[in-house]
Amino acid sequence: DGGITQSPKYLFRKEGQNVTLSCEQNLNHDAMYWYRQDPGQGLRLIYYSQIVNDFQKGDIAEGYSVSREKKESFPLTVTSAQKNPTAFYLCASRAPSRGQNEKLFFGSGTQLSVL
Amino acid sequence: AQKITQTQPGMFVQEKEAVTLDCTYDTSDQSYGLFWYKQPSSGEMIFLIYQGSYDEQNATEGRYSLNFQKARKSANLVISASQLGDSAMYFCAMRPASGNTPLVFGKGTRLSVIA
Repeated sequence: DGGITQSPKYLFRKEGQNVTLSCEQNLNHDAMYWYRQDPGQGLRLIYYSQIVNDFQKGDIAEGYSVSREKKESFPLTVTSAQKNPTAFYLCASRAPSRGQNEKLFFGSGTQLSVL
Repeated sequence: AQKITQTQPGMFVQEKEAVTLDCTYDTSDQSYGLFWYKQPSSGEMIFLIYQGSYDEQNATEGRYSLNFQKARKSANLVISASQLGDSAMYFCAMRPASGNTPLVFGKGTRLSVIA
C-alpha cells in the first residue's frame, strides 16, 4: 500500500544532542512537508521541499535542518539549537494536482521528548 | 498572509445529533482551497473534505458537509448524526493561490461526542 512512513514513533533527546526524524513516502509525490504540533497551537510549518535537492524554510525553521537527496525521503534533524523541541512532528506529502487531489497525505507522526 | 481561525477550542455533542465546527479564513487571493482534517487520539491526520473557492456547490462527503460562505470567508464543517468515533481534533486548513504553497492550518477544535 502507498503511504508515508515516519520513524521512530517515540524519540527522546538529551541536552546538546542532535536527533533525526525519518520520513519516507512511496506515493511518488514531489512535494514534502514537516509540521510541528504543540497542544493548542495547531500545525506549524517547519520546512518544505517541492523537488529533490531543493527545500524552503517554513514559519519555525530555526533549530531544524532537512535534506532532500531522494524523492522518497525527507529527514528532519532537530539540532541542539532548538531549545524547546518537545512536540509531535508530522511529515506530509502532496501530489502535483489541483482540487481535492491536492490534499496532504500524512505520516503517523513522531513524538519527541527531552530527557 | 493567509490565516485560519477556529474559535471553538472544544465542543460537545450528543450522539446522533448534528454539530457545526466553525472556521474563518483571511486571504486576498481569489483562488484558494479549503480543507478539513480529523485527528484521532492516535495522532494520524485524516482528510475529510475539500472546497475550492470557485466551487458553486457546497462540498459533501457522507456525513460531512462544508458550509461555504465566500463573502463571509467562512468554511464551517457540519457533521450529521454524530457517532462516538467522531470524537477527535478537527483542523481547518487553506491552500493559498499558488499550488505549491504549503497548507496553513488553524489551531483546531476538540470535539467530544457524548453517549
